Amino acid sequence: DTGVSQDPRHKITKRGQNVTFRCDPISEHNRLYWYRQTLGQGPEFLTYFQNEAQLEKSRLLSDRFSAERPKGSFSTLEIQRTEQGDSAMYLCASSFVSFEPEAFFGQGTRLTVV
Amino acid sequence: SQQGEEDPQALSIQEGENATMNCSYKTSINNLQWYRQNSGRGLVHLILIRSNEREKHSGRLRVTLDTSKKSSSLLITASRAADTASYFCATEPTGNQFYFGTGTSLTVIP
Repeated sequence: DTGVSQDPRHKITKRGQNVTFRCDPISEHNRLYWYRQTLGQGPEFLTYFQNEAQLEKSRLLSDRFSAERPKGSFSTLEIQRTEQGDSAMYLCASSFVSFEPEAFFGQGTRLTVV
Repeated sequence: SQQGEEDPQALSIQEGENATMNCSYKTSINNLQWYRQNSGRGLVHLILIRSNEREKHSGRLRVTLDTSKKSSSLLITASRAADTASYFCATEPTGNQFYFGTGTSLTVIP
């Protein structure tokens, strides 16, 4: 396993379009997190899953955002009706809670809404 | 907000010097982690220190944790140009998610 993988690495979309990002965590990890990072800021928590259950969502996650983790493996983050303010780096991380709490991050998906 | 704060926001040093950056946080924590981020890339995990530990070493990295002051420091010894990056601390207050600070931007001049 080569770590957390995110796809695509870059996405440019027109305002109003829907986009979907994918995250493949480290295979034995049961926790998966989504974060958003804008330029010059630290990552902001969006949501996390333990196995297939979405356990917490940030208030940052408006109703245009939805995340899934079917079968507790890969996860998708969809943004509907994108706005320019959605432009950011979307980061996925995974960890194996109750063993080693370190979270390992993917390279991120950079979204630009034009 | 439970977000941590790193200090300084930016640090510029000569290669070979030591770099120290600090993190302060607001609530009690289970552990604290330090990450590095190169420009436009994902975060790389550096080191984790648990709330019952006071100091931890990993290679050229030394992390301290003072839970009474709710602060941590990251020391990078004998810095190299390749250490140029942003450094973030992340706290885990409840065991459910990580809160990141705004980061310290480190520049190591060759």
